[in-house]
Amino acid sequence: AQKVTQAQTEISVVEKEDVTLDCVYETRDTTYYLFWYKQPPSGELVFLIRRNSFDEQNEISGRYSWNFQKSTSSFNFTITASQVVDSAVYFCALTFGNEKLTFGTGTRLTIIP
Amino acid sequence: GAGVSQTPSNKVTEKGKYVELRCDPISGHTALYWYRQSLGQGPEFLIYFQGTGAADDSGLPNDRFFAVRPEGSVSTLKIQRTERGDSAVYLCASSPAAVSGETQYFGPGTRLLVL
Repeated sequence: AQKVTQAQTEISVVEKEDVTLDCVYETRDTTYYLFWYKQPPSGELVFLIRRNSFDEQNEISGRYSWNFQKSTSSFNFTITASQVVDSAVYFCALTFGNEKLTFGTGTRLTIIP
Repeated sequence: GAGVSQTPSNKVTEKGKYVELRCDPISGHTALYWYRQSLGQGPEFLIYFQGTGAADDSGLPNDRFFAVRPEGSVSTLKIQRTERGDSAVYLCASSPAAVSGETQYFGPGTRLLVL
């Protein structure tokens, strides 16, 4: 079965703390793509990052960083020095050799000022 | 440039009625996708188009749901004989091509409420 699991339903942290959002996936495919999207209260899904299964290099973009580990089938997302504007629902998603995105159930992140 | 747009932003209808939801993709994007998001859940795939043709409609829940993209740009998702269980946010996305791993860019969604 092909599946994306985001075990953390809700997380609350105080502003300026670091926070990591977990994503675990299952697939038998050797080629696949991983994504993170942000859904703020306005509702629109905002693309954050895409990785392919052959590139395990971690990536940093400003306060955001991603840790992709094929050995544990995980693609975790860390926000450093969180800000109130980071409050949103975050979705991990994958394409398994086709064009459809399979999403996890999301993690609601609340940053407390 | 302009992003994906969807109209209406909200739609309230009565059980049994027919509704149409419209999606205008990013200019030049040949692939267009429809997803449905229920409260507290991640989006679930419904159908996608490459050009004018529906390349995969395996996510449509039943034959009350239908989508078209007659000129390869704007798409309309049509729901007949609506049921209360159809209440959800319907999201549209587009990408430059329907290629595995291509980034999909989402619109703001249409929130459908069936009374």
